[in-house]
Amino acid sequence: GESVGLHLPTLSVQEGDNSIINCAYSNSASDYFIWYKQESGKGPQFIIDIRSNMDKRQGQRVTVLLNKTVKHLSLQIAATQPGDSAVYFCAESSSGSARQLTFGSGTQLTVLP
Amino acid sequence: NAGVTQTPKFRVLKTGQSMTLLCAQDMNHEYMYWYRQDPGMGLRLIHYSVGEGTTAKGEVPDGYNVSRLKKQNFLLGLESAAPSQTSVYFCASRQKVYGYTFGSGTRLTVV
Repeated sequence: GESVGLHLPTLSVQEGDNSIINCAYSNSASDYFIWYKQESGKGPQFIIDIRSNMDKRQGQRVTVLLNKTVKHLSLQIAATQPGDSAVYFCAESSSGSARQLTFGSGTQLTVLP
Repeated sequence: NAGVTQTPKFRVLKTGQSMTLLCAQDMNHEYMYWYRQDPGMGLRLIHYSVGEGTTAKGEVPDGYNVSRLKKQNFLLGLESAAPSQTSVYFCASRQKVYGYTFGSGTRLTVV
């Protein structure tokens, strides 16, 4: 079936720098996208979401960009902090089938001191 | 307000044994989901429920059964555990269209 994938499995950034995590999706029917943060031994934690009628959405230190033309999603984290070190997943869903989430394989973000 | 609670948190099974994982939510959510997460991978949907008394198959349902006899509980059963079912299992619930809440997971090892 269709799935969401990530371009890079690992990403290392210096503390204070901006981070960009990318995600490609293949289901053109997807209309809702979520970024999750997962720390070791914990469940996914909601970061930010975006609906397909939007191109950009901003939260506190995070921004999600959606490019439906090329089916690409990105998460930008400003002024990356040590506490941002985690695995980040994108997930997509479409109406119907109880809005199941399809997850990408994740990107391990490591913040260097 | 506990949110989504999963029990047990850890379990080791021998091949062929059976067990039930319990997911309980106190938010009166209609939708509940069971996912599994293998090392280095994203979550994959096993089964889900759109309301009390309903269940449906997800992406990887083989070897699992589920039941939703009460709205607040969603049980995941393994009738005859196999090493391939070694994984971390996450339960999630949802009420609003866009609001998922995840449990903290159950780490299962089948030897």
